[in-house]
Amino acid sequence: DIQTTQSPSSVSASVGDRVTITCRASQGISNWLAWYQQKPGKAPKLLIYTASNLQSGVTSRFSGSGSGTDFTLTISSLQPEDFATYYCQQANSFPLTFGGGTKVEIK
Amino acid sequence: EVQLVESGGDLVQPGGSLRLSCAASGFTFSSYLMHWVRQAPGKGLVWVSRSSSDGSGTTYADSVKGRFTISRDNAKNTLYLQMNSLRAEDTAVYYCARDKGGSGYYMDVWGKGTTVTVSS
Repeated sequence: DIQTTQSPSSVSASVGDRVTITCRASQGISNWLAWYQQKPGKAPKLLIYTASNLQSGVTSRFSGSGSGTDFTLTISSLQPEDFATYYCQQANSFPLTFGGGTKVEIK
Repeated sequence: EVQLVESGGDLVQPGGSLRLSCAASGFTFSSYLMHWVRQAPGKGLVWVSRSSSDGSGTTYADSVKGRFTISRDNAKNTLYLQMNSLRAEDTAVYYCARDKGGSGYYMDVWGKGTTVTVSS
């Protein structure tokens, strides 16, 4: 199975800050990686697929990069509605696996 | 509007069974691969199972293999998850999700989830 590891597990940031979250796969997955946002009590929302493609309707504040084993989600200028937990997911092979999550909190 | 609505979650004793349903609307259900994903209280997301668009292909996480069965009724636009031999560690919110399609496995539409609690 492909393991996916996120860091950090939490980050405190202020409105307007640039935030970067990383995800590492235990083996190369080309660009088969997604990023999701989840707010408390809500279902996850797809933000980025194929490592860098913005899902329709998602603000361009979010961007993704990387390939192989190392990936990054960047929020260019943190807004109040961006405080949430973010998960990466490898989309290369079954079983699909999610990272442990990164909670973005208000500083 | 594209929508997924899960139902069937309940409190069940260890060793018991439960069937979850996921009703789809607003899109051509029979054209999409579908997934179940769960989230234990305070924990992260865990993929559980997937069904091909026609139901002929299924895959399971090792933790549920042999106990859970995914199926679908395309005439009723409904996805199912039959859960047998339930354990305390199966306690979670269960989400159904639509696969985006194309290459890779990305989940672009999610239901709100249904809660399964396994406890005596």
